[in-house]
Amino acid sequence: EDQVTQSPEALRLQEGESSSLNCSYTVSGLRGLFWYRQDPGKGPEFLFTLYSAGEEKEKERLKATLTKKESFLHITAPKPEDSATYLCAVQASYNTDKLIFGTGTRLQVFP
Amino acid sequence: SAVISQKPSRDICQRGTSLTIQCQVDSQVTMMFWYRQQPGQSLTLIATANQGSEATYESGFVIDKFPISRPNLTFSTLTVSNMSPEDSSIYLCSVVSGGQYFGPGTRLLVL
Repeated sequence: EDQVTQSPEALRLQEGESSSLNCSYTVSGLRGLFWYRQDPGKGPEFLFTLYSAGEEKEKERLKATLTKKESFLHITAPKPEDSATYLCAVQASYNTDKLIFGTGTRLQVFP
Repeated sequence: SAVISQKPSRDICQRGTSLTIQCQVDSQVTMMFWYRQQPGQSLTLIATANQGSEATYESGFVIDKFPISRPNLTFSTLTVSNMSPEDSSIYLCSVVSGGQYFGPGTRLLVL
């Protein structure tokens, strides 16, 4: 069964304290892995899509990497405005209509 | 990218009633997706809506409970029928346009 597991469930960081969020997945043929940011009361905001192992993408303080079994979202020198829930999702090659989501990591960054 | 709007943004409904949620996209898209996010849970795909054909429902979701319309390439509706408190969720519309984008969501509370 296709599955996405994110860890940790929650993460508290001091402003400037870099860290990483993990997304482990099992899927029958990966077409793409997606990272989203979700603020309370809002829909998910698209961040990155990764397609193959070894691929990396960056946006401001965020960098996403992909291996054959997991993805990491690295947050460098976070600021309080980076506080949000970060969601990971995979798209299987046999069903490109559907994204399978993890339960997310709730990040809080304190000044 | 795509800009997606949803109406209503939130509603409180009585059990046994129905609510229709509207989704409008700023560009023409082939497929539109409807997701549900239950409290404390991640996103689950309800159905995929193609213009001019019947929606395709995921396991556990049926047309009688969640009828969908797709009258044109920029608009779709999802109806939550005969509601019960278990239907209290955030309902999200999504499209693919260079990435997969989500609307702001409709927050539904059923009493």
